[in-house]
Amino acid sequence: SQTIHQWPATLVQPVGSPLSLECTVEGTSNPNLYWYRQAAGRGLQLLFYSVGIGQISSEVPQNLSASRPQDRQFILSSKKLLLSDSGFYLCAWRDTYNYGYTFGSGTRLTVV
Amino acid sequence: AQSVTQPDIHITVSEGASLELRCNYSYGATPYLFWYVQSPGQGLQLLLKYFSGDTLVQGIKGFEAEFKRSQSSFKLRKPSVHWSDAAEYFCAVVILTGGGNKLTFGTGTQLKVEL
Repeated sequence: SQTIHQWPATLVQPVGSPLSLECTVEGTSNPNLYWYRQAAGRGLQLLFYSVGIGQISSEVPQNLSASRPQDRQFILSSKKLLLSDSGFYLCAWRDTYNYGYTFGSGTRLTVV
Repeated sequence: AQSVTQPDIHITVSEGASLELRCNYSYGATPYLFWYVQSPGQGLQLLLKYFSGDTLVQGIKGFEAEFKRSQSSFKLRKPSVHWSDAAEYFCAVVILTGGGNKLTFGTGTQLKVEL
């Protein structure tokens, strides 16, 4: 069966520090992968999505970037965190052949 | 522009009472529709989805949803709410693009259940 792993679960980082959040999917190949952010009291905003290795689409201009070095690995990064980067980050995957989206358990990022 | 609207930010119901959560979408064609639930500090769990066919779909945990094309509506219902249903509920729409077929969410409805 397919599973999605996201880590770390929580993270507290100082302003100006780098960030790397990792998401991996098991049990499937060539998934579409997504990064969402949920800020306090707000809905979920799509940040990036990827349809294949090395293919990244950005939805909103921001301080973050994404990479997909392997088929089932999706990484969210920042060179210098801002206070506004705080939030709950969710990774998701979608099977190429249907529209079932599955979400990871999320990473709570607090920038201090 | 395509959008998903959940008009109710907060809803409070008594345990055992019925529940209805509203969702409206703005989209040029019949979208693929989803309802997700999020417990505090947790990821999203899919309750149900509508792609085509019968406009009344059944989901997990006793939830169902009705799609009404004429109203661009996808309402979530539960006949009898349990205290454990207290959570945030998100309606979502798949917007088909040439690439990633993006899942777009409404702003969510926070459900409180009174005992």
